Amino acid sequence: DVKVTQSSRYLVKRTGEKVFLECVQDMDHENMFWYRQDPGLGLRLIYFSYDVKMKEKGDIPEGYSVSREKKERFSLILESASTNQTSMYLCASSFMASGGWRDTQYFGPGTRLTVL
Amino acid sequence: GQQVMQIPQYQHVQEGEDFTTYCNSSTTLSNIQWYKQRPGGHPVFLIQLVKSGEVKKQKRLTFQFGEAKKNSSLHITATQTTDVGTYFCAPGSGNTGKLIFGQGTTLQVKP
Repeated sequence: DVKVTQSSRYLVKRTGEKVFLECVQDMDHENMFWYRQDPGLGLRLIYFSYDVKMKEKGDIPEGYSVSREKKERFSLILESASTNQTSMYLCASSFMASGGWRDTQYFGPGTRLTVL
Repeated sequence: GQQVMQIPQYQHVQEGEDFTTYCNSSTTLSNIQWYKQRPGGHPVFLIQLVKSGEVKKQKRLTFQFGEAKKNSSLHITATQTTDVGTYFCAPGSGNTGKLIFGQGTTLQVKP
């Protein structure tokens, strides 16, 4: 079974703090993703990585950065947390796409971040 | 960028009634996936559609991809309380592994 784990289920931080969210997958997937989920807005892609040290901005990258030093680990960094970054953060991973087929994305359990 | 509109946003049904959610795009899609997220859980893959006019069934769930590959639907026959959750459509984006998730349809089933 594919397993995607996230470092925390719940996290409470203060405005201005630097926040690290970590994600680890055990299936040797090339692709890893960070989404945030807010009511009524669905899942919005923050950043995407298709290989070690490679990253691509998603739809809402402002205020976030990422790091992928090892294939199995993808970190999301909030350099200076703000209250509008209070949200559910979901990590996912998948194999590389081929042709018209897109591989399944496997999601972690999510981290509910509250910024006070 | 590419966007999809998913309707309705919410649906309340009586157990045993049918349910349908629709996913519409203004551009032609190469493929589309569907995911289900149970309350308090994370999205879980249900199915992928690739061919024009494709219809796939999983027990009481029927998935369709439009002939023009601009829309898709998920139909649940005779809903059960276990069907409760949010259903997302997610077309592939570009030539990478990215997906564009719709806003989701949240289904509530009254026993």
